[in-house]
Amino acid sequence: AQSVTQLDSHVSVSEGTPVLLRCNYSSSYSPSLFWYVQHPNKGLQLLLKYTSAATLVKGINGFEAEFKKSETSFHLTKPSAHMSDAAEYFCVVSPNYGGSQGNLIFGKGTKLSVKP
Amino acid sequence: DAGITQSPRYKITETGRQVTLMCHQTWSHSYMFWYRQDLGHGLRLIYYSAAADITDKGEVPDGYVVSRSKTENFPLTLESATRSQTSVYFCASSESPLGGNTEAFFGQGTRLTVV
Repeated sequence: AQSVTQLDSHVSVSEGTPVLLRCNYSSSYSPSLFWYVQHPNKGLQLLLKYTSAATLVKGINGFEAEFKKSETSFHLTKPSAHMSDAAEYFCVVSPNYGGSQGNLIFGKGTKLSVKP
Repeated sequence: DAGITQSPRYKITETGRQVTLMCHQTWSHSYMFWYRQDLGHGLRLIYYSAAADITDKGEVPDGYVVSRSKTENFPLTLESATRSQTSVYFCASSESPLGGNTEAFFGQGTRLTVV
């Protein structure tokens, strides 16, 4: 079975300081992993995705994530937070096997607050 | 406008009423999905469709009905709304099965309140 655990429901940082949003996954198969962002009253936007190419993935708006198979982790980072980064972030796993056509498995989300 | 649009954005309905949420995409994507988002649960798949006239259940299908007579539309119907169906509903689409390099594109969501 596949699952995703976002280790923090809420993270608060000051503007200009680093961001770390933690995600661990469980998958019987080599998964694809995504981070989506949801700004207030908006839909979900793809930040970045890992699909078994480079383990360090760069996304939009300065975010990046590192796939660590040994730790089953896919943590999202950004060197310097901006006020516009305040949003909810979802770690998502997509199993790479037949029959998983509809099944994106979402973590419960991490709400990022950025203080001025 | 290109993209995926949901309507209405907000809806209040009474228990027992039938309500339909609309989803329209302009990319001619084969796959379409309905998710519900509840506090503490992330998003959970209700139904999905691989093509016109092909639909299948997701994780939480009970109380919902879908249809897909045209590729671009994927309406979700609550046949007899219950308070437990109060949620934010997201429609999504993708050009191929999810997994691998495939990205899902999401609509802006419909906030449904059942009173």
